[in-house]
Amino acid sequence: QVTLKESGPVLVKPTETLTLTCTVSGFSLTNRRVGVSWIRQPPGKALEWLAHIFSNDGQLYSTSLKSRLTISKDTSKSQVVLTMANMDPVDTATYYCARSFSINTVYYMDVWGKGTTVTVSS
Amino acid sequence: QSVLTQPPSVSAAPGQKVTISCSGSSSNIGNNYVSWYQQLPGTAPTLLIYDNNKRPSGIPDRFSGSKSGTSATLGITGLQTGDEADYYCGTWDSSLGAGDYVFGTGTKVTVL
Repeated sequence: QVTLKESGPVLVKPTETLTLTCTVSGFSLTNRRVGVSWIRQPPGKALEWLAHIFSNDGQLYSTSLKSRLTISKDTSKSQVVLTMANMDPVDTATYYCARSFSINTVYYMDVWGKGTTVTVSS
Repeated sequence: QSVLTQPPSVSAAPGQKVTISCSGSSSNIGNNYVSWYQQLPGTAPTLLIYDNNKRPSGIPDRFSGSKSGTSATLGITGLQTGDEADYYCGTWDSSLGAGDYVFGTGTKVTVL
């Protein structure tokens, strides 16, 4: 059974850096056609893709947020980590990680974690 | 704002059919596969349709997807109260830089 679980702080202060961890099970982060994406959803709003990491450690980032994001993975721990710098209240959202079918680009997200809610407030 | 446009809401009675449109451009839908996601209230999204019209195992054939040009459509037949949810289309967009995965604006389905 494929599962993904997000973890990280519930509350961060403005200007701080957010670090989120996605722990996966039931599949390998070295699977050639599979990677992991991060997606967020502000309260009452639409989904927004943030970043993706391929099995070969290649990375893709949201054009609008690229300067603030870093995605990495630790295959031995089955974990994918996303950092987002310079957090602002508008970054308040539920953050999801999802297994994503990908070759050169992202095709679709077939299994999602339950999400973790992050509030940005002083 | 999203580059994929969906109607904010659609509704129909139980047993009826609804369709949800997703309008894009040649930089996204026109040259890439479309997927659809269902988000039940208070839960994470789940994959409904991938590669324009394929259903993952476990998804009933009441759900269907199609694509024509720069638009895609999700159809739900035999509408059930359990289908009340938000639905999002998604695809790759290559209009800026290395590209982005983009989601639609989302459509709320209400069963009357």
